[in-house]
Amino acid sequence: DADVTQTPRNRITKTGKRIMLECSQTKGHDRMYWYRQDPGLGLRLIYYSFDVKDINKGEISDGYSVSRQAQAKFSLSLESAIPNQTALYFCATAGRANTGELFFGEGSRLTVL
Amino acid sequence: AQSVTQPDIHITVSEGASLELRCNYSYGATPYLFWYVQSPGQGLQLLLKYFSGDTLVQGIKGFEAEFKRSQSSFNLRKPSVHWSDAAEYFCAVGATGNQFYFGTGTSLTVIP
Repeated sequence: DADVTQTPRNRITKTGKRIMLECSQTKGHDRMYWYRQDPGLGLRLIYYSFDVKDINKGEISDGYSVSRQAQAKFSLSLESAIPNQTALYFCATAGRANTGELFFGEGSRLTVL
Repeated sequence: AQSVTQPDIHITVSEGASLELRCNYSYGATPYLFWYVQSPGQGLQLLLKYFSGDTLVQGIKGFEAEFKRSQSSFNLRKPSVHWSDAAEYFCAVGATGNQFYFGTGTSLTVIP
C-alpha cells in the first residue's frame, strides 16, 4: 500500500460544486502539504500544515480551504469550484527535520466544467 | 525571495547519450536542493538531494548532480540515458521550516 494515499484519483465536476480531496499517510510525518500542478507552471503550494493545530497558506490559497483532521489526514476543499481550478493536485508529507524531503501521493486529477 | 529556474522546458536525447538538466536557484542561505522525477500518471519520486558536504551527489537510477555555489546551480546528469528515463524532472529548493519551492520542470523525451 502507498505511504501517501489520495482520493479520489480522478474527478469531474461542474462549476459551483463543492469538492473535497482527501489525503492520508502512514509515514508518521507531522508535516503535510497540498500542491497544484499545471503544465508549464510546475508545482505551486496551496496550503501546508506542520501539525494538527497549525495550518498555513501557501502561494495560491485563494479559493481553497483545508482541514487537518488528524496527524495522518489532510483534506483540501474547493468550496465553489471554477474551471481554472482544473489541475493535478498532489498531497505530500515531510518529516520534522529541516533537511527532510517530500513524499508524494499519486495525485488527484480534477476537472471543473 | 526563493525561486528555482529550469531553463529547458523540453529536452530530447537519444538512448545511450549523456544528459544534463539545468537548474538555477535563488536563496539567501545555504540551500537544501532536490531533484524529483515524475513518470506519467505518477507522483513525484526523489532522485537525489544535497544538504551539505561533497558537492557531487549520487542518486538513484544512475543520476548525479553537482552543486555549484558560485553559479547558484544544481544540474542533474546521467552518463547514458535509458528509454525508461523519459519523464518530467523537477528541481526544488528546501527553505527553513520545511518549505519547498519547485521549478517549472523539464520534460525529457528519449528516442531509440
